[in-house]
Amino acid sequence: QVQLVQSGAEVKKPGASVKVSCKASGYTFTSYGISWVRQAPGQGLEWMGWISAYNGNTNYAQKLQGRVTMTTDTSTSTAYMELRSLRSDDTAVYYCARDIAARAWDYWGQGTLVTVSS
Amino acid sequence: QSALTQPPSASGSPGQSVTISCTGTSSDVGGYNYVSWYQQHPGKAPKLMIYEVSKRPSGVPDRFSGSKSGNTASLTVSGLQAEDEADYYCSSYAGSNKSVVFGGGTKLTVL
Repeated sequence: QVQLVQSGAEVKKPGASVKVSCKASGYTFTSYGISWVRQAPGQGLEWMGWISAYNGNTNYAQKLQGRVTMTTDTSTSTAYMELRSLRSDDTAVYYCARDIAARAWDYWGQGTLVTVSS
Repeated sequence: QSALTQPPSASGSPGQSVTISCTGTSSDVGGYNYVSWYQQHPGKAPKLMIYEVSKRPSGVPDRFSGSKSGNTASLTVSGLQAEDEADYYCSSYAGSNKSVVFGGGTKLTVL
């Protein structure tokens, strides 16, 4: 069965970086893209960007351009999302999700809570 | 402020139908047939309920249906059940930089 398993919760100080992993199983990793979506506490969903697991092409949300990098390791079927220069408003649950059609996502990771606090 | 506008709340009694709207612009909802709907229970990851305006993934009950007219998409839940109580989010492909925009979410209460 398809599974996306994310790395554990992180606590970071403002200005630091965080890298979240998302290990895929149960399907051919390179056949689907991966999007990252975050959700601040008590708030709605926010799309962060997308990466093709086939060729590594990326599209990032404009507001995160320059601070976010998405990568994949096809040898381990793992996607990564790195966010730099963290601020308190980056505190959120970060999800990876499998992209099936023009940014629709059928399988999601369990979420990774990233807390940014001094 | 979210790019797509959803009502903050909706409600209905068991067995009834409820429709949730999602209003955007010609640059997102109105410009593409790539509207999706997600159900999210507290503390859980979102679940895809509808994609490409009206398609249901395998395993999603046919009580859930989607439609679109102009710049507004809609999710209809028929035959409401207690387990349908959740937050619902719409999203749309927005073209520019192949981006995606979300609605602010609608809390559906089953009375």
